[in-house]
Amino acid sequence: NAGVTQTPKFQVLKTGQSMTLQCAQDMNHEYMSWYRQDPGMGLRLIHYSVGAGITDQGEVPNGYNVSRSTTEDFPLRLLSAAPSQTSVYFCASRAPDYTQYFGPGTRLTVL
Amino acid sequence: GQSLEQPSEVTAVEGAIVQINCTYQTSGFYGLSWYQQHDGGAPTFLSYNALDGLEETGRFSSFLSRSDSYGYLLLQELQMKDSASYFCAVNSGGYQKVTFGIGTKLQVIP
Repeated sequence: NAGVTQTPKFQVLKTGQSMTLQCAQDMNHEYMSWYRQDPGMGLRLIHYSVGAGITDQGEVPNGYNVSRSTTEDFPLRLLSAAPSQTSVYFCASRAPDYTQYFGPGTRLTVL
Repeated sequence: GQSLEQPSEVTAVEGAIVQINCTYQTSGFYGLSWYQQHDGGAPTFLSYNALDGLEETGRFSSFLSRSDSYGYLLLQELQMKDSASYFCAVNSGGYQKVTFGIGTKLQVIP
């Protein structure tokens, strides 16, 4: 049981490049979400999903896309990277008892 | 929208008790969660309160008052390893999305 996995762990992009952050969970959780965390700030919700085919926006969705084609996977796409998207990105999945499990994070730098 | 308030920093002595407060404003409130995060690590879930009252899990307890839009995390018998950031978070809305506060940095001193 791997829990929540994220790849890559580190990434450096140039402004304007696009990329996909991968997230997978093997706990059969319906609810998954993406957060970003900036220094001195809490976690801000980007997008979330309540099951395959169902996604919704969080607090800071601009510049990011998501899709949920399977229960296991919830990738986050950066369409055209900007320096303001430099951050640590966490994926999470939530059990029916509301326990939320986080992946190890992806540290993204946009130059 | 949602807003949560918690102290930015707290310092406490090893072996003592510390309480971290959280007040929130939100519509469609379902419950209050607490998370711990060590520097450089991922958040880990501590507790979830949907009903008023105190819930205890080992050295950690969490309290919720829905009428006061208030909760707290109580840490007893503090240990050095408890030095971390602690976040409260609200579950709200039709899909119960989770929104976090900015976190309280707890420093435990000898």
